Amino acid sequence: GAGVSQSPSNKVTEKGKDVELRCDPISGHTALYWYRQRLGQGLEFLIYFQGNSAPDKSGLPSDRFSAERTGESVSTLTIQRTQQEDSAVYLCASSPTSGRAGETQYFGPGTRLLVL
Amino acid sequence: QQQVKQSPQSLIVQKGGIPIINCAYENTAFDYFPWYQQFPGKGPALLIAIRPDVSEKKEGRFTISFNKSAKQFSLHIMDSQPGDSATYFCAALRSSGGGADGLTFGKGTHLIIQP
Repeated sequence: GAGVSQSPSNKVTEKGKDVELRCDPISGHTALYWYRQRLGQGLEFLIYFQGNSAPDKSGLPSDRFSAERTGESVSTLTIQRTQQEDSAVYLCASSPTSGRAGETQYFGPGTRLLVL
Repeated sequence: QQQVKQSPQSLIVQKGGIPIINCAYENTAFDYFPWYQQFPGKGPALLIAIRPDVSEKKEGRFTISFNKSAKQFSLHIMDSQPGDSATYFCAALRSSGGGADGLTFGKGTHLIIQP
């Protein structure tokens, strides 16, 4: 009965390194979202997964960002060659199939990424 | 292009007062308007939401007022308490898109309720 979980909770990396962020959605939720929250800003939508369908990657900030999802479970967001402007909180949310699509999104606690 | 504009950026209210947070949207395709509450170090949590077929929705001490013609909506917190101190985000969604667009968020309001 756990909520959305994300790991790591905090990540400090050096500029130019690759990082991988993980999201475990609520069991049974077919929709999964990634958002980015820069300091003092609202959340910025990055990418959406629905079941086994191919995601629309047009919201990703650059080609250094990629995301995958294994079936209807775990998702990973990978940032290659990190830059200082990638520093942010990366939030994952999941949504059930019942009800209107995408409306009830449950957020995880986020991964706080700091690129030095 | 900022599709959802939120104000004020910060707000301080005495306990028992009624803080009001306002949002305005541009995309008329939006048809679902939630408010999220976020405490430091936590992810946002859904507080209350409204669809454009109604002008007001109440849940406990929280009320959303919606003005479709003006493309504006607001959150009112009745009998505010220090525990309501948090950052509040308005958001909008095009449900007809099947959720694929994701939520579009305002920049947030940092609310402090003073005892």
